[in-house]
Amino acid sequence: DGGITQSPKYLFRKEGQNVTLSCEQNLNHDAMYWYRQDPGQGLRLIYYSQIVNDFQKGDIAEGYSVSREKKESFPLTVTSAQKNPTAFYLCASTGGLGTGFDEQYFGPGTRLTVT
Amino acid sequence: GDSVTQMEGPVTLSEEAFLTINCTYTATGYPSLFWYVQYPGEGLQLLLKATKADDKGSNKGFEATYRKETTSFHLEKGSVQVSDSAVYFCALTSYTGGGNKLTFGTGTQLKVEL
Repeated sequence: DGGITQSPKYLFRKEGQNVTLSCEQNLNHDAMYWYRQDPGQGLRLIYYSQIVNDFQKGDIAEGYSVSREKKESFPLTVTSAQKNPTAFYLCASTGGLGTGFDEQYFGPGTRLTVT
Repeated sequence: GDSVTQMEGPVTLSEEAFLTINCTYTATGYPSLFWYVQYPGEGLQLLLKATKADDKGSNKGFEATYRKETTSFHLEKGSVQVSDSAVYFCALTSYTGGGNKLTFGTGTQLKVEL
């Protein structure tokens, strides 16, 4: 079955540690996205990538980093510089060139708790 | 910049009641509009979409019509079920120099009771 995989579902870290969240898709999509969800604030865009080896900052990129070395993978690192990292993180992808960039498909999310 | 405004929740309804969740938007150009649904602890699922003015998106008994004159995309369902309890997000596509982005509303929680 095609889809987006995020792992792990729950992640716990101590303050001051970097942590990397995994996102893999087998939909052959060109574009991938990372969002952060906090209660009552909807989704906010962290980073996105339209093509391999290229990515753009979203609205709240500070304290985060990404890489896009393979079409299928778009890992997100939450660094110790992120002031309030505890949140629900969602990865998404969309078709890309020739198929449209409109609707996005979402993974199941990773809930990160930093104490 | 582009923005989406949704009615605040939670919205609590009895089973078989009529549902309306209001959504209005501000955007340059002609965005595509979406409704996504999120069940507890899960990611978002696309519920329906409309790509141009006067289009009606529909799925699973839910409907929404793209109204350019009122910049609205209200979600409706004639008879809700307990299984419809979830958070609903309205969103629009923003096209930028860096590519395509989705702008989301803050979400509306729906609770359906027996």
